[in-house]
Amino acid sequence: NAGVTQTPKFQVLKTGQSMTLQCAQDMNHEYMSWYRQDPGMGLRLIHYSVGAGITDQGEVPNGYNVSRSTTEDFPLRLLSAAPSQTSVYFCATATGGQPQHFGDGTRLSIL
Amino acid sequence: AQSVTQLGSHVSVSEGALVLLRCNYSSSVPPYLFWYVQYPNQGLQLLLKYTSAATLVKGINGFEAEFKKSETSFHLTKPSAHMSDAAEYFCAVRFNSGNTPLVFGKGTRLSVIA
Repeated sequence: NAGVTQTPKFQVLKTGQSMTLQCAQDMNHEYMSWYRQDPGMGLRLIHYSVGAGITDQGEVPNGYNVSRSTTEDFPLRLLSAAPSQTSVYFCATATGGQPQHFGDGTRLSIL
Repeated sequence: AQSVTQLGSHVSVSEGALVLLRCNYSSSVPPYLFWYVQYPNQGLQLLLKYTSAATLVKGINGFEAEFKKSETSFHLTKPSAHMSDAAEYFCAVRFNSGNTPLVFGKGTRLSVIA
């Protein structure tokens, strides 16, 4: 049972490049979410989904897109990377209002 | 706006001393409260949760937290700090029931001095 799997673990991009951060879960959790973690800022919610086909914006959605075509996967897309998007990104899942389970994170640097 | 405040971005204690990490939230209705711990270069791990049963909640690694409605607080304590407790601690609040977003505090980094 892998839980929440995030890939890649590390990535360096140039300004303007696009990429997709992957999040996959094998727990059949209906709720999935993306956070970014920056020093002194805690975790801030980017987007979340309460089920396949349903997504909503969080606190800091600008510059990011998401989709939820299956229960298992919730990819986060950066269409045109900017240095301000340098951060550590975490995916988290939950079911039935229970505590969220977190992946190990993706460390993204944008030059 | 709904918010979570952790007082002190960095707390330093001696090994064996009491650990007290503070968390206050803004809500007139008791929400769902959580503490998470993050070790270096890792994800977040649930320490404990409050879900309207007992006001004193026991978690893993000897930590506990007390919900005080009148103070809108959920402070985390441990009677005796261990070197392995050095980590970052996050208070998180879910202000609504069901699968709804968490709001996180900015975190408190705990250092333990030998």
